[in-house]
Amino acid sequence: QVQLQESGPGLVKPSQTLSLTCTVSGGSISSRAYYWTWIRQPPGKGLEWIGYIYYSGATYYNESLESRLTISIDTSKNQFSLNLNYMTAADTAVYYCARDKGFGELTLDYWGEGTLVTVSS
Amino acid sequence: QSALTQPPSASGSPGQSVTISCTGTSSDVGGYDYVSWYQQHPGRAPKLMIYEVNKRPSGVPDRFSGSKSGNTASLTVSGLQAEDEADYYCSSYAGSDNLGVFGGGTKLTVL
Repeated sequence: QVQLQESGPGLVKPSQTLSLTCTVSGGSISSRAYYWTWIRQPPGKGLEWIGYIYYSGATYYNESLESRLTISIDTSKNQFSLNLNYMTAADTAVYYCARDKGFGELTLDYWGEGTLVTVSS
Repeated sequence: QSALTQPPSASGSPGQSVTISCTGTSSDVGGYDYVSWYQQHPGRAPKLMIYEVNKRPSGVPDRFSGSKSGNTASLTVSGLQAEDEADYYCSSYAGSDNLGVFGGGTKLTVL
């Protein structure tokens, strides 16, 4: 059974960088079949796709976040990560990592439990 | 990324059926058979309920079904149960230049 688990700080100061890691267990992140995804959900609001990374390191980002966003992958640790620069209150959200069964499909069959990130001084 | 349109709320009594719509355009819902539906209970991660318009992942009850007509996809929940009360989100493939399209979500209330 595939499991994903997010880790990282729950509180970030404005203008600082958010760094989150998603650890995948029960399956290989090096599989060519999947795209590894970050999704976020502001409190009381809907889902927002942040971006993908493929096992090869190829990345695809939400245009609205692209200038502040880096997603990376470490196949030796079966992990992928998110760095989001210049955080503001508008970035306060639950951040989820998930697995997509195909490029652009948004067939997100496995999810982490999510981690709440609050931006506040 | 443009959003898909869902009604903010829907409701039904136990045992009844309810249908939630998800309206897009010919560039997303109408153009591809990659519509997914997610169920989210409060404080929990979303759960995939339907993918590729009408396919159910293993373990999802057959009370949940999906369909599509033109630019509108639908999720039907038959034989409503109390545990079906949740938020439901749709998503669609929208081409390689428009990744990550979700609907705004529908809150389903079981009366």
